Amino acid sequence: EVQLVESGGGLVKPGGSLRLSCAASGFTFSSYSMNWVRQAPGKGLEWVSSISSSSSYIYYADSVKGRFTISRDNAKNSLYLQMNSLRAEDTAVYYCARMYCSSTSCYPLFDYWGQGTLVTVSS
Amino acid sequence: EIVMTQSPATLSVSPGERATLSCRASQSVSSNLAWYQQKPGQAPRLLIYGASTRATGIPARFSGSGSGTEFTLTISSLQSEDFAVYYCQQYNNWPPVFGGGTKVEIK
Repeated sequence: EVQLVESGGGLVKPGGSLRLSCAASGFTFSSYSMNWVRQAPGKGLEWVSSISSSSSYIYYADSVKGRFTISRDNAKNSLYLQMNSLRAEDTAVYYCARMYCSSTSCYPLFDYWGQGTLVTVSS
Repeated sequence: EIVMTQSPATLSVSPGERATLSCRASQSVSSNLAWYQQKPGQAPRLLIYGASTRATGIPARFSGSGSGTEFTLTISSLQSEDFAVYYCQQYNNWPPVFGGGTKVEIK
């Protein structure tokens, strides 16, 4: 069974930093691109960042570029999101999500999600 | 960046009735369109990809159609567990973009 478990959320002051983690199990983590998707309270979904299986390709939403860094450790089956210079508008539940792969290709849609970790940016 | 617009924002439906949800893209996304279901306090769940292919374990009462810029998610006979928020998402271009969601509520 595929499982994704996020951790590391909490309350942080504007301008502060936080590192989120996602522990993966139940699939060959090193074969899949992984993603962070967030959801502000009462709002819709927003893609944040993606990282390819070998970390060769990394993408960010414009709203976080230059402030957030995605990374992974395939030996530990773990995904990370380092968040710096946090703003009030970064307040959201952050989901770790696996990118869908068919037998031949991978596509930036998300077939498994964790339960999320809440990040609150407030003074 | 492609803009995804969902309508209506809220849909009131009685159990057993059909629900039809719409999603429009600001430019063609071919058939690279996914639908997700999200219940309160839960993570989203993938329902449909490729505009019309049901994900693993998704009941046949969920169907998707459309291509280009106009897409539809149909729930043929609403069950109690189907009352939720539904999001469409395009994955034809980077960045992947979600629509604002349609809340399906009990009438």
